[in-house]
Amino acid sequence: AQKITQTQPGMFVQEKEAVTLDCTYDTSDPSYGLFWYKQPSSGEMIFLIYQGSYDQQNATEGRYSLNFQKARKSANLVISASQLGDSAMYFCAMVGTGGGADGLTFGKGTHLIIQP
Amino acid sequence: DARVTQTPRHKVTEMGQEVTMRCQPILGHNTVFWYRQTMMQGLELLAYFRNRAPLDDSGMPKDRFSAEMPDATLATLKIQPSEPRDSAVYFCASGLARGTGIRNTNIQYFGAGTRLSVL
Repeated sequence: AQKITQTQPGMFVQEKEAVTLDCTYDTSDPSYGLFWYKQPSSGEMIFLIYQGSYDQQNATEGRYSLNFQKARKSANLVISASQLGDSAMYFCAMVGTGGGADGLTFGKGTHLIIQP
Repeated sequence: DARVTQTPRHKVTEMGQEVTMRCQPILGHNTVFWYRQTMMQGLELLAYFRNRAPLDDSGMPKDRFSAEMPDATLATLKIQPSEPRDSAVYFCASGLARGTGIRNTNIQYFGAGTRLSVL
């Protein structure tokens, strides 16, 4: 079984500042994958970034990067130069060893608000 | 612009009525997932399919929920009879799984969801 913990229910950040959203996980699987999704107020779920536990380097996608610390079981999302459009709910999720066709386990989410 | 399409976007119904939610996965994707989002429970996996075959529906209340894939372009989630506690947003997601195992992890792309209210 997998478990995702997001300890920040909400965050306020000034526009253009960098943001770190925390995510810790627990699993007994020897290999796994970690995801971040964004859910704006419109309700859709938008894929942001993926990190495999076997990856040697941290994943990056534009302004998003994943700070993966395997020993600490953490997979924090870093957003550089935040924008007003980044205001949304952010969910950390994981998949176990099955990977290829397994469902995701989600955390409770962090509500990020970017202030001008 | 390939996307997962869910219908209806909103559904209001009375307790005891049958509800059918539909999902058109992204063309070429071979995995389909159903999730439910509520304030109390967050996002929960209900069921998923690979190549139209159900792989796991252990997250779904069996007595009233059923999930099927009549063909590769349509997945359905039915609730019969519906209850107020079924009120939630139901998401469908699809992905392309090229194999099993973590190195074949597929990215799941979500539809816009169906917001269900059971009165």
